[in-house]
Amino acid sequence: EVQLVESGGGLVQPGGSLRLSCAASGFTFSSYDMHWVRQATGKGLEWVSAIGTAGDTYYPGSVKGRFTISRENAKNSLYLQMNSLRAGDTAVYYCAREHSSGSFDYWGQGTLVTVSS
Amino acid sequence: SSELTQDPAVSVALGQTVRITCQGDSLRSYYASWYQQKPGQAPVLVIYGKNNRPSGIPDRFSGSSSGNTASLTITGAQAEDEADYYCNSRDSSGNHLFGGGTKLTVL
Repeated sequence: EVQLVESGGGLVQPGGSLRLSCAASGFTFSSYDMHWVRQATGKGLEWVSAIGTAGDTYYPGSVKGRFTISRENAKNSLYLQMNSLRAGDTAVYYCAREHSSGSFDYWGQGTLVTVSS
Repeated sequence: SSELTQDPAVSVALGQTVRITCQGDSLRSYYASWYQQKPGQAPVLVIYGKNNRPSGIPDRFSGSSSGNTASLTITGAQAEDEADYYCNSRDSSGNHLFGGGTKLTVL
């Protein structure tokens, strides 16, 4: 059974940093592109970052230069290093697996990040 | 532009058919995928590719596409289909996009 379990969320002050983790199981982690997607309370989904099987990374303009996605295939783990956090980064952060079609076929349960003083 | 546009809300009578649409330039080149999200839960993939359903998704869900518009159709909507629905695609730069979401109410 495919499982994605996020951790590392919490309360952080504006300008602070946080590192999210996603533990993957039930599939060959190294063979899949992986993503982070976030959702502010009462708002829609926003794609945050992607990492390919070769380690290539992608970001939207809203987080580029502040967030860094990485993976450790030996540990079946995905990470998101978030720096210079802003109130607007407050959201539930989901990790998701990319299917060959480009869709996100499995999602974790999410971890809440709150940026507030 | 790299945006996907959805109607904020749609309603359907129980047992009737409803179509949820998603518009964007990227849909001329890439298929949309569709996700169902119920309150307090993670999104669930319901349609991907040309018109494919993951295992466990009822066959009342179907997808289609024409030009810059993708559609999710629910034929014979059930009470349990009441949820938020999001479309998703990608652009030529490798970025992924989500529509703003459509809140479906089953009356």
